[in-house]
Amino acid sequence: NAGVTQTPKFQVLKTGQSMTLQCAQDMNHEYMSWYRQDPGMGLRLIHYSVGAGITDQGEVPNGYNVSRSTTEDFPLRLLSAAPSQTSVYFCASSYISLGSTDTQYFGPGTRLTVL
Amino acid sequence: AQKVTQAQTEISVVEKEDVTLDCVYETRDTTYYLFWYKQPPSGELVFLIRRNSFDEQNEISGRYSWNFQKSTSSFNFTITASQVVDSAVYFCALSEAHNQGGKLIFGQGTELSVKP
Repeated sequence: NAGVTQTPKFQVLKTGQSMTLQCAQDMNHEYMSWYRQDPGMGLRLIHYSVGAGITDQGEVPNGYNVSRSTTEDFPLRLLSAAPSQTSVYFCASSYISLGSTDTQYFGPGTRLTVL
Repeated sequence: AQKVTQAQTEISVVEKEDVTLDCVYETRDTTYYLFWYKQPPSGELVFLIRRNSFDEQNEISGRYSWNFQKSTSSFNFTITASQVVDSAVYFCALSEAHNQGGKLIFGQGTELSVKP
């Protein structure tokens, strides 16, 4: 198993550009999520999905869109990048158990800089 | 409200010292899960442990041990005989069971530096 994969590893954008961060997992996990990591703030949840066709907002969703057309893929779209979106982005996935929380496994991260 | 606090921003120790990383959490739920992740300088997040709120037994895994105390809402992590390879940022995280799939609330992280 490749686990959780993310592309690209690094990206530099200009303000106003759009792009998609890719995330894929081969563990048949129902739950997938995106976090951003900023210095001194830990990781904060952007969006998450509990299955194909179902997405919801996390703590910091503004400026980001997601969709989940398959179990394996959960892309994160920046429609008009802003310098405040400079961050490291992590995708994670896990099984869903009723009344429980399974361990989330993280991808290697994408370091995004917006100029 | 759910919250995780890691009050130690940075810790520096000399190799072979023992070190404890503190984690204090807040939640109104009776069923919740606590996690520790390690982020080495290479940047990936490595899962270390998952604990549910009904299991207060301490856990030991090699040089790592975890002390869970519901009375003080703490889930502290101790590294015994630290090594240079333990240098990393360590995150404590909380998930409430009613959140389907488990949204993680992270602490700010503690950067551990182990010097030879």
